[in-house]
Amino acid sequence: EAEVAQSPRYKITEKSQAVAFWCDPISGHATLYWYRQILGQGPELLVQFQDESVVDDSQLPKDRFSAERLKGVDSTLKIQPAELGDSAMYLCASSLVGVYEQYFGPGTRLTVT
Amino acid sequence: GQNIDQPTEMTATEGAIVQINCTYQTSGFNGLFWYQQHAGEAPTFLSYNVLDGLEEKGRFSSFLSRSKGYSYLLLKELQMKDSASYLCAVSYGNNRLAFGKGNQVVVIP
Repeated sequence: EAEVAQSPRYKITEKSQAVAFWCDPISGHATLYWYRQILGQGPELLVQFQDESVVDDSQLPKDRFSAERLKGVDSTLKIQPAELGDSAMYLCASSLVGVYEQYFGPGTRLTVT
Repeated sequence: GQNIDQPTEMTATEGAIVQINCTYQTSGFNGLFWYQQHAGEAPTFLSYNVLDGLEEKGRFSSFLSRSKGYSYLLLKELQMKDSASYLCAVSYGNNRLAFGKGNQVVVIP
């Protein structure tokens, strides 16, 4: 069964350092999402891509976060510089275009010290 | 903006039935999803409602009333493996999802 891949699974970094997360969606899924989930909360959308274009990045803190999906397949989310409040689970999801279920990857657990 | 409200936690006995409620206020409503999330894992899809009424899928059923902005997830014949957080998510706009905080269900023997 096809799955969304993410790496790394865990990342510990010091504040003010740069960190990057990678996501490979299910083949054929044109829509890709990055979410942030704080413990005890539901996932919060950071950015949505359709193919290589950003559809929604209204909740992305653009002063420190950036996301790209250059060839419309895999994607990278970057934080520079990391802050203590960025400690969270970062989830990537993908779906077909339209209103379909989103398939989530295993996530990257980020700890900023 | 989107506003989704769920109770935070409930405890139930193995074999019992639990109902998890979700109320929402949203614009551009497409449908409502339920996801299950075990601790430390990614959410997995359970159900999707776009029309009013009850959708049944094995031990899980989901209900939607669009006029009331209300949904519930019904879990029957509870098993220990059902201990998880259950997330209500509203689809709006271009299949954007707004999630509730999740309802933590604890199943006890």
